Amino acid sequence: EAQVTQNPRYLITVTGKKLTVTCSQNMNHEYMSWYRQDPGLGLRQIYYSMNVEVTDKGDVPEGYKVSRKEKRNFPLILESPSPNQTSLYFCASSSWDRENIQYFGAGTRLSVL
Amino acid sequence: QKEVEQDPGPLSVPEGAIVSLNCTYSNSAFQYFMWYRQYSRKGPELLMYTYSSGNKEDGRFTAQVDKSSKYISLFIRDSQPSDSATYLCAMSPNTNAGKSTFGDGTTLTVKP
Repeated sequence: EAQVTQNPRYLITVTGKKLTVTCSQNMNHEYMSWYRQDPGLGLRQIYYSMNVEVTDKGDVPEGYKVSRKEKRNFPLILESPSPNQTSLYFCASSSWDRENIQYFGAGTRLSVL
Repeated sequence: QKEVEQDPGPLSVPEGAIVSLNCTYSNSAFQYFMWYRQYSRKGPELLMYTYSSGNKEDGRFTAQVDKSSKYISLFIRDSQPSDSATYLCAMSPNTNAGKSTFGDGTTLTVKP
């Protein structure tokens, strides 16, 4: 089954404790993105990657890091989480020939205390 | 001002009603227009995908794009309780692969 898998689905942490949210896709897609979704602000792109070792900032990259060492994986790293990063996070992927058709994971709900 | 503005809702309609969901945008570079449906506690899933102006129909759903007015719509005919979800419009310029701008979403409830 074609899917984008995020882990964990739910995470509660404290300010300053480094965390990683993993994302993996099994569709051999070139493009992958991270979004955060907040009430009244919609979906905002954090980072995106066009292929292995190629990443670029989205609209709200501050406080986040990403890496793309393998085509299927695109982890999101919060080096020093803060309460304003409490949000619902989505990973998405798409192929080079239909890049605007994105497949989303089920989401990771993060609370930073 | 946001690049993409979506009718905020929420919207509540009786089963069988025709639903109109709308977005306006300011960036004339947008060429690709998408509608995603997001059920509660799930990720968005693509519902409709159109390129440039015109209409596209898929079953009970019709997507309409008017680039001259910078306005897009999604129509749902014979709405069903299973259509209850949040609908997100998204747009992308033709030169910026994999980078879409989303509306805030409209939450629709279809009552039996």
